[in-house]
Amino acid sequence: QVQLVQSGAEVKKPGASAKISCKASGYTFTGYHIHWVRQAPGQGLEWMGWIDPNNGDTRYAQRFQGRVTMTRDTSINTAYLEVSGLRSDDTAIYYCARGAFHTYWGQGTLVTVSS
Amino acid sequence: EIVLTQSPGTLSLSPGERATLSCRASQSVYSNYLAWYQQKPGQAPRLLIYGASTRATGIPDRFSGSGSGTDFTLTISRLESEDFAMYYCQQYGRSMDTFGGGTKVEIK
Repeated sequence: QVQLVQSGAEVKKPGASAKISCKASGYTFTGYHIHWVRQAPGQGLEWMGWIDPNNGDTRYAQRFQGRVTMTRDTSINTAYLEVSGLRSDDTAIYYCARGAFHTYWGQGTLVTVSS
Repeated sequence: EIVLTQSPGTLSLSPGERATLSCRASQSVYSNYLAWYQQKPGQAPRLLIYGASTRATGIPDRFSGSGSGTDFTLTISRLESEDFAMYYCQQYGRSMDTFGGGTKVEIK
């Protein structure tokens, strides 16, 4: 069965970076884009961008350009999201999801930014 | 960027009633690439509808999606207790996706 398993919660200081992983199983990793979506506490869903695991192409939402990097390692079927220059308003649950319409989601990774 | 506006913000209904949720786009959604998700507290969202009107696998037929262009609707024909949750629409497929702000369906 299809699964996306994300890395564990992180606590970071303002200005630091966070790198979250999303390990895929149960399907051909290179066959579907991986999207990243975040949700601040008590807020709605915010699309951050996608990566094409087949060739590494990426597309980022404009508000995250320059601060977000999406990568992948096809040898271990894993996608990564790195957010730099963290601020308190980056505190959120970060989800990975498969495909243009997100049939499968990771369990979410809480990133807390606090001094 | 396409802005999606969901209304109402909160819908207070009783089990067995019909729920009608709206999602309006600031410009036409490409090929009606519009999805609906349900989210319960502490859980990841669950895909309900894609392509504006196609139910995802395993979704009960009391959920239906309709609309085209800039106006889309999610209808829950008869609310069951497990349907009280947050609902989000999403437009996808033209490189820059966006989500609506959500509608909360709560028990009256």
